[in-house]
Amino acid sequence: DTGVSQDPRHKITKRGQNVTFRCDPISEHNRLYWYRQTLGQGPEFLTYFQNEAQLEKSRLLSDRFSAERPKGSFSTLEIQRTEQGDSAMYLCASSLSGLDGGELFFGEGSRLTVL
Amino acid sequence: KNQVEQSPQSLIILEGKNCTLQCNYTVSPFSNLRWYKQDTGRGPVSLTIMTFSENTKSNGRYTATLDADTKQSSLHITASQLSDSASYICVVIFNAGNNRKLIWGLGTSLAVNP
Repeated sequence: DTGVSQDPRHKITKRGQNVTFRCDPISEHNRLYWYRQTLGQGPEFLTYFQNEAQLEKSRLLSDRFSAERPKGSFSTLEIQRTEQGDSAMYLCASSLSGLDGGELFFGEGSRLTVL
Repeated sequence: KNQVEQSPQSLIILEGKNCTLQCNYTVSPFSNLRWYKQDTGRGPVSLTIMTFSENTKSNGRYTATLDADTKQSSLHITASQLSDSASYICVVIFNAGNNRKLIWGLGTSLAVNP
């Protein structure tokens, strides 16, 4: 399978714990995006990378959230001191940069439940 | 304000019937518009990408239209199947300086019943 993969698919944690999600994009894609999606809502942009550079961060990304893409390949999204409001699906997408913004290919998501 | 509005919010149809989903946007300057299908608990999957100059684009039983003058798009599903049950999300991409930004609609939840 050469699509975008995310791990873990599901994570249940207690409030106050730290969690980390990993995303492996399609290998030749230079752009990688993180989104958050809650039930009944569209995906909300969190951040994106072009290669290893984090080019944009949403205001939704509080200081408890940090994302890295150290070698321009896989990326991690860490949430520190989780809160119940962090419960959501965290989606990763990758694309090639292009004039049209590049077609986004999404992973299956990592569902976080904070108890 | 850049917005994307979709209607209806939800729709129930019988298997084999056709349906049309609507997307209105106020995004400017427009770059392109995309329709995604998202099954419950899965990531979105691209159905079509439409640029300013394209009026109609088909992908199997899915046909998207775009009227850039009225800033409206529709997604028509022909001969619906049970597997079409999903959320359909309209996304509009606009130019923001040197970047492209995506504005997501809230989606239309489609249920196809036997």
